[in-house]
Amino acid sequence: DAGVIQSPRHEVTEMGQEVTLRCKPISGHDYLFWYRQTMMRGLELLIYFNNNVPIDDSGMPEDRFSAKMPNASFSTLKIQPSEPRDSAVYFCASSLALGWGGTSSNEQFFGPGTRLTVL
Amino acid sequence: QKEVEQNSGPLSVPEGAIASLNCTYSDRVSQSFFWYRQYSGKSPELIMSIYSNGDKEDGRFTAQLNKASQYVSLLIRDSQPSDSATYLCAVNRGWGAQKLVFGQGTRLTINP
Repeated sequence: DAGVIQSPRHEVTEMGQEVTLRCKPISGHDYLFWYRQTMMRGLELLIYFNNNVPIDDSGMPEDRFSAKMPNASFSTLKIQPSEPRDSAVYFCASSLALGWGGTSSNEQFFGPGTRLTVL
Repeated sequence: QKEVEQNSGPLSVPEGAIASLNCTYSDRVSQSFFWYRQYSGKSPELIMSIYSNGDKEDGRFTAQLNKASQYVSLLIRDSQPSDSATYLCAVNRGWGAQKLVFGQGTRLTINP
C-alpha cells in the first residue's frame, strides 16, 4: 500500500491568502485525522472523521479553519484567510477501527506532512 | 496540568547503554498507550503500544505501564545512533477510542 499521501509537501503563502491541504488516507481505513505540529505546542489534533463524517472538531483553532471529507479517499483542510501564526507542519493520519482486519491496536499511520509557511 | 507530560530533554545516552523515557498522564480513564518515534523532518511512526499494567517487550524496546501511578515508560536497550529521534507518548481515553493526546516529546541523542 502507498501509505497516507499528502499534498503539497511544502507551501509558502502570504498572509490573507487561502490555503488548501490535501490528504488521501490508506485504502480501507475508516478514520482520518488532521494534526498540526509546532515547536511551542507540539502535536495537536485538529479534527477527525469516521466514515467521512466529522466526529470531533474541538481542536480546530478558529473559524478560519475548515475540513471536509467528501469521500473515503480524500480530505481537505482549508485555512482562509491564513495568518503567520498558522505556520506549522500539518499531518494527516488514518487508522482502521479497533479489532477490524486483525488489528490489535488502533494504530494511526501518518502521512509525510505539509510544511506551511505564512509570510 | 497537561494531559500528557514528558520531559522534553534533550536526553543524551552513550551508545550501547539503556535509554529510559518517561511519560505521565492525568486522565485516569485512559486505557491505551502508545510510543511514537519521530526523526527530524519526518512523520511520527508507532513503535510500541501497551494496554495492560506491566511490561511489554519487542526486540530492544520495552514499554512499561503503571495505571495506579498513571505512568508509562519506554526503555531502549543497547541504544544505537539510529535511535536518535524525538519520542512521543500518546494516550487515548477508552478502549476503541480513536482520539489520541500526545505529549510534547522527548528528544533522545545516542552518542557513539
